[in-house]
Amino acid sequence: QKEVEQNSGPLSVPEGAIASLNCTYSDRGSQSFFWYRQYSGKSPELIMSIYSNGDKEDGRFTAQLNKASQYVSLLIRDSQPSDSATYLCAVNIVGRRETSGSRLTFGEGTQLTVNP
Amino acid sequence: NAGVTQTPKFQVLKTGQSMTLQCAQDMNHNSMYWYRQDPGMGLRLIYYSASEGTTDKGEVPNGYNVSRLNKREFSLRLESAAPSQTSVYFCASSARETYEQYFGPGTRLTVT
Repeated sequence: QKEVEQNSGPLSVPEGAIASLNCTYSDRGSQSFFWYRQYSGKSPELIMSIYSNGDKEDGRFTAQLNKASQYVSLLIRDSQPSDSATYLCAVNIVGRRETSGSRLTFGEGTQLTVNP
Repeated sequence: NAGVTQTPKFQVLKTGQSMTLQCAQDMNHNSMYWYRQDPGMGLRLIYYSASEGTTDKGEVPNGYNVSRLNKREFSLRLESAAPSQTSVYFCASSARETYEQYFGPGTRLTVT
């Protein structure tokens, strides 16, 4: 089982619609969850962080976390063509050694296309 | 603030050549990371450093070495490049408190 799995894409939505991106993770000890946006040929850009169960809204973006179901999602309302990108879900994995710190494990990404 | 910077932006190597990818951050972050990204494979962690003086292997460390030179700088070295190391390499850094990682612009490496 992969540590982080995202819904397979590509996902295509019309302009103005809601885009829904989903992610599941395997480590029940994970406490921190992130969504990154990556435009073609560019580096990943952090767009949302969520640490507790429930919804977190930032402009047109809403992240939802359900730790019991090990599920995190990203909703993009009023989708725009400029939202067309690959969206990466990332989950924090705490190191097992005291000096290891922590690291993120990324899903493979979901490619979103918003059609004008 | 420049954030995370990487040099070079592009590099072409012949098989067996060596090179060092440089990364620096000016956000006073404790942790730094090196990833590679290949089509269909997502981001894979090569090495990371939780703090100055420590380094740990990630998912795909073979063929690479790293040095955490100081709090700002974290370099990745390919001692004997192989075509399988053709990839885009990203450096990232994060604050210990939030775990939010911020990425540099990347280095596109081709090994022929």
